[in-house]
Amino acid sequence: AQSVSQHNHHVILSEAASLELGCNYSYGGTVNLFWYVQYPGQHLQLLLKYFSGDPLVKGIKGFEAEFIKSKFSFNLRKPSVQWSDTAEYFCAVTEGTGFQKLVFGTGTRLLVSP
Amino acid sequence: DTGVSQDPRHKITKRGQNVTFRCDPISEHNRLYWYRQTLGQGPEFLTYFQNEAQLEKSRLLSDRFSAERPKGSFSTLEIQRTEQGDSAMYLCASSLEFRAYEQYFGPGTRLTVT
Repeated sequence: AQSVSQHNHHVILSEAASLELGCNYSYGGTVNLFWYVQYPGQHLQLLLKYFSGDPLVKGIKGFEAEFIKSKFSFNLRKPSVQWSDTAEYFCAVTEGTGFQKLVFGTGTRLLVSP
Repeated sequence: DTGVSQDPRHKITKRGQNVTFRCDPISEHNRLYWYRQTLGQGPEFLTYFQNEAQLEKSRLLSDRFSAERPKGSFSTLEIQRTEQGDSAMYLCASSLEFRAYEQYFGPGTRLTVT
């Protein structure tokens, strides 16, 4: 079965530090990849997505992610974090050409100190 | 607010009782999804509807769980004979069929079984 691994469960950074959150998935076929974010007290919301094409995907709020097929990875990056980036970040995958169900990782809690 | 809404936001019940949750999707969305999230985990897919048809159910959805979407609009998720292991956040999401990669999540219903 499809699975998603997020190795960093908690990350603490100071403002202006660079961020990279790891995400690896297990499926060897065609995948669609997502990062969702949940700010404190808010709903899950889509941060960015990858279907095909340029493996470097840019999302909202200065986030980007790179799909590396050979490493089964889709890491999230931001060059300079802000206090407002404090949130929980979830990597998710859907298999093949369908988008029926998202398979989520366990999430990474990011705390950015001012 | 025109987003996905869920009711109630919190539910505390005693083991063995039945509970029902409601989800109102974004009005033009014909797909509706239910996920469950336990502490320290990412959301796990339970089931999804396209209009009123329930098209997929996860093995997580035991016989005690039933979901309906009778008119293709709101959906209900019922848990019969609740167990302590049912304690979780139940999330609803909706999407357009042809943009199913963009799932919009509701705030969730937090269930506590005592």
